[in-house]
Amino acid sequence: AQSVSQHNHHVILSEAASLELGCNYSYGGTVNLFWYVQYPGQHLQLLLKYFSGDPLVKGIKGFEAEFIKSKFSFNLRKPSVQWSDTAEYFCAVNGLGTYKYIFGTGTRLKVLA
Amino acid sequence: DAGVIQSPRHEVTEMGQEVTLRCKPISGHNSLFWYRQTMMRGLELLIYFNNNVPIDDSGMPEDRFSAKMPNASFSTLKIQPSEPRDSAVYFCASSLFVDSPEGYTFGSGTRLTVV
Repeated sequence: AQSVSQHNHHVILSEAASLELGCNYSYGGTVNLFWYVQYPGQHLQLLLKYFSGDPLVKGIKGFEAEFIKSKFSFNLRKPSVQWSDTAEYFCAVNGLGTYKYIFGTGTRLKVLA
Repeated sequence: DAGVIQSPRHEVTEMGQEVTLRCKPISGHNSLFWYRQTMMRGLELLIYFNNNVPIDDSGMPEDRFSAKMPNASFSTLKIQPSEPRDSAVYFCASSLFVDSPEGYTFGSGTRLTVV
């Protein structure tokens, strides 16, 4: 079955701490991979994406993610979080030639000032 | 570009009333999606349009829900009659084409409360 798993539902960090949010997917084919961020009360915004090439992708606001094909993973990282990174983060997978995104259940990140 | 525009931003209605949510996708985007977000179920795809044609409406929860896209620049999601369990945030999203690696652009959502 096609699925996306985000193992951490809630994460609390202090400012300047490092962040890694896990994302694993199950999909039998070539995929595009995305991380979206939803700030409190706002809509989802694209943070970064991978569709080919360098498996280490860099996004906005200092975020990066690494695609490890052998592990079916696409973990999100940031070396030093800020209070303004408090948000919910969604991993998503989209199979090539298909329309349906599969979203993970989201990880709520709270950064303490 | 103004992005994906949804209206209204907030809607409070009484049970049994008809509710219409509106969406204007980004010009030139061929794919349009309606999602519902709740705490319990997360993001659920309700319906997908490609070139104004509904391709997959399997996520529409009941016959009370209907969606239309009369042209490339406008779509509606209607709930009739509305029920309290329909309370959620409804997002519209569009993309250039069906599996665009650029991903979706989401609208700001409509927060629906049915009392």
